[in-house]
Amino acid sequence: GQQVMQIPQYQHVQEGEDFTTYCNSSTTLSNIQWYKQRPGGHPVFLIQLVKSGEVKKQKRLTFQFGEAKKNSSLHITATQTTDVGTYFCAGGRSSNTGKLIFGQGTTLQVKP
Amino acid sequence: DTAVSQTPKYLVTQMGNDKSIKCEQNLGHDTMYWYKQDSKKFLKIMFSYNNKELIINETVPNRFSPKSPDKAHLNLHINSLELGDSAVYFCASSQDSRGLETQYFGPGTRLLVL
Repeated sequence: GQQVMQIPQYQHVQEGEDFTTYCNSSTTLSNIQWYKQRPGGHPVFLIQLVKSGEVKKQKRLTFQFGEAKKNSSLHITATQTTDVGTYFCAGGRSSNTGKLIFGQGTTLQVKP
Repeated sequence: DTAVSQTPKYLVTQMGNDKSIKCEQNLGHDTMYWYKQDSKKFLKIMFSYNNKELIINETVPNRFSPKSPDKAHLNLHINSLELGDSAVYFCASSQDSRGLETQYFGPGTRLLVL
């Protein structure tokens, strides 16, 4: 079945350092979404990428979708303590069910 | 105003009991989902309904039965609860079922089976 692998599982950084999480799918995706879940909270949508090679930025966050639409990354520049949480990628395939396959998530800890 | 709400927030119960979790969305969305998040934070889709019709039914024990009385509500009933059912259950909704829309998650129901 379709799988979405996400690495690393955990990352501890010093405030001000950069952070990257990577997502890989076993199959070609139609789109990829990224969500952030704060400790004790629920997943909140960050962004969606649809086009091959697409790059989108949100302030210090940069999202990329691979040329083959099988991988994606989220890079945070100069992390802050407010970036703490678990980041999930979720891959979709063209269908009429709306099913997203979530990666395992990367939990980011930021030391002040 | 809460977009996607779930009740209860916390549920502690004994093995073998039957319990229900309720979800409501006021976003006017057509599609609703149930996810299970285990202790390792892995988010797994369980069910999805589009306009009251079941469209995703993953490999879930038949002790779990979803019900959608209307497109704004999706409930989850669990029979004969087991220890392994302990998890956080998230309800979510999206505009439609094409998979290209944002999914809005509820606050979660933390279920602990003793």
